[in-house]
Formats: sequence, structure tokens, C-alpha cells
Amino acid sequence: DAGVTQSPTHLIKTRGQQVTLRCSPISGHKSVSWYQQVLGQGPQFIFQYYEKEERGRGNFPDRFSARQFPNYSSELNVNALLLGDSALYLCASKRSRGANYGYTFGSGTRLTVV
Amino acid sequence: QKEVEQNSGPLSVPEGAIASLNCTYSDRGSQSFFWYRQYSGKSPELIMSIYSNGDKEDGRFTAQLNKASQYVSLLIRDSQPSDSATYLCAVRLYGNNRLAFGKGNQVVVIP
Repeated sequence: DAGVTQSPTHLIKTRGQQVTLRCSPISGHKSVSWYQQVLGQGPQFIFQYYEKEERGRGNFPDRFSARQFPNYSSELNVNALLLGDSALYLCASKRSRGANYGYTFGSGTRLTVV
Repeated sequence: QKEVEQNSGPLSVPEGAIASLNCTYSDRGSQSFFWYRQYSGKSPELIMSIYSNGDKEDGRFTAQLNKASQYVSLLIRDSQPSDSATYLCAVRLYGNNRLAFGKGNQVVVIP
């Protein structure tokens, strides 16, 4: 089975632009989460979606938004990009909302804002 | 207080030795704990999960959980150069579905 797939792998954007990152979860996984990882830090939670509904939101500004589609894939949108948005954006999927399942991460999208 | 703390600096261990990593967490209600390995420039890879007090072994890895002390650890036995990576401790916070991560500990195995 394919793992969590993310696209694109790398992206360079200019301050003020908008970006859309995409994620396809492992087949059968209905829960998708997004994390931001800046260099030297652990991942920070942005959003979680389950069955197309937002189930959690981290401490990120409203410039960040996301959605989940009927096939459980997901998009993360970031508007009005700032230099500080430069990071590795990770998508993680999980089989269900149950506690005793680990999250599997995709390979990430490295966003550079210049 | 941070939700998850990994305070140790880079850890250098000789090949074949035991690497020991520690993590503390603040949410007393947390029930699920994970260790991820992250190679430079790559994404985190789940290597261990633990939900009950005590030890859990998987190959050369042992995770230890002490909920009373709010402490999780990871032991890597017979360390290999391929174990050189950053190890992230993650805790699923009580009442929600997000993981809180520590900043990670870098392990360097010296041949």
C-alpha cells in the first residue's frame, strides 16, 4: 500500500502570495492532520480533519485554512505568506479517531518564502 | 511549562552501546505516547508507541512509560550508525486528537 503522499515536495513563494499543499492519506485512513516543522524544532499541530470535518485547530492565524475531501485527501492553504511561514509542512494520517493508533507522516512539503 | 520536554543535548554513543533518551510531559491525562525517528531532511517515522506503564520492547528499541512521574524514555540497544538521527517524543493530549512533540534529541552513533 502507498504511504501518505504529499505534493509538491518543494515550493518557493514570495511574501504575500498564497500556497496550497496537498495530501493523500493511506488507503483506509480517515483522519488527516497537518503539522508545521521549523528547523530545529518538533512539529507543531495546525489542523486535524476526520470524516471531512475539522476536529482540531492549533494556534495558527486565520491565514491558515484546510479542508478534507470525500476521498479523505486534504489541502492546506496559507494566504498572505510571511517569511516565518518557511518550514516543512507535514501531513499525517491515522486509521481512526481512536487513541491507540500512531500517526504516519508523509514526506512533507518544504516551503520557502522569500 | 512546555507540553513535552526533551532537554538533553546531542548524544554521541559508540557503535554497539546503549543510547538512552528521556522525555517528560505536562498533561497528566495523556494516554498515548510515541517515539519518532527523523533523519536529516526527512519526515518523522514512527518507531515505538506505548500506552501502559512499564516497558515495551520491539527489536533493539525499548520504550518505558511512567505515568505517575509523567516520564517516557527510549532505549536503543546495540546502537548502529544507521540509528544516527533526531528522535522526537510525541504525546497525544487528553481529550483531543493532536500530538504534542518535543523538540527532539539528536543521536550520533560513532563507528
